[in-house]
Amino acid sequence: QQPVQSPQAVILREGEDAVINCSSSKALYSVHWYRQKHGEAPIFLMILLKGGEQKGHDKISASFNEKKQQSSLYLTASQLSYSGTYFCGTEETSGSRLTFGEGTQLTVNP
Amino acid sequence: GAVVSQHPSRVICKSGTSVKIECRSLDFQATTMFWYRQFPKKSLMLMATSNEGSKATYEQGVEKDKFLINHASLTLSTLTVTSAHPEDSSFYICSATSGALSGANVLTFGAGSRLTVL
Repeated sequence: QQPVQSPQAVILREGEDAVINCSSSKALYSVHWYRQKHGEAPIFLMILLKGGEQKGHDKISASFNEKKQQSSLYLTASQLSYSGTYFCGTEETSGSRLTFGEGTQLTVNP
Repeated sequence: GAVVSQHPSRVICKSGTSVKIECRSLDFQATTMFWYRQFPKKSLMLMATSNEGSKATYEQGVEKDKFLINHASLTLSTLTVTSAHPEDSSFYICSATSGALSGANVLTFGAGSRLTVL
C-alpha cells in the first residue's frame, strides 16, 4: 500500500522552514527518506525505525509516530541545495521491500 | 560509501528492438537488487526484485516476458526491455541493498537510465 505524502509541492525562500508528511494505512517497521534531484538518483537521507524515534543531521530531521503510522521530515533554515523531490519509503516488516510515496517537490528560491 | 553504477544513462532505440540496462554494485555484494520505473514527476514504482542465482520476483501487472531480469552474479543485475514500444519510454532506476540498520534495508540507487523508444 503506497504511503501518502503531503504537501505535493512547496516553494520556499532560502532560510525558511518546511515540513513534509508521510502517512500509511498499515503498521510500519520503518520509514526511509530520500531526496531526488531532476534526472538523478535518489539519495538516502535517513531511516526511522518503529519505537517512535527522531533523527537528524545538520538542519534536516525527522520523526516517526509509530501509533499514527506517520513520519514527518523537517527542513529548517532551508538552503538552495535542499531543492528536489522528497520521497518517503515505508517498510512493513523487517527486510521487506520499500513502497514509495508520490513525492513532495520542494523548491527553494534565493 | 556504497556505490551502484547503472549503464547506459540514456538510450534511444527503434520500436521493436531490445535494450539491455546494467546495474552494478561497485564496492559491495548485492544478493538483492530492485528495478523501478519512474514517470515524470511521479513516484518510484517497483517493477521487480532481482535475486542472485534465482528468478526475479515481479510486481503485479509487470510483464515478465517484456522485462527480462538476470542477476547472474553478486554484483550485476540486468534488465532487458524486449521488443520495446514507445509506451516503454521511461526512466528506469535500479537499487541494491547496501546494508541494514537494525533490520531495515538501506538502499543505494543507481543514477538511472532514460529510455526513449521511437
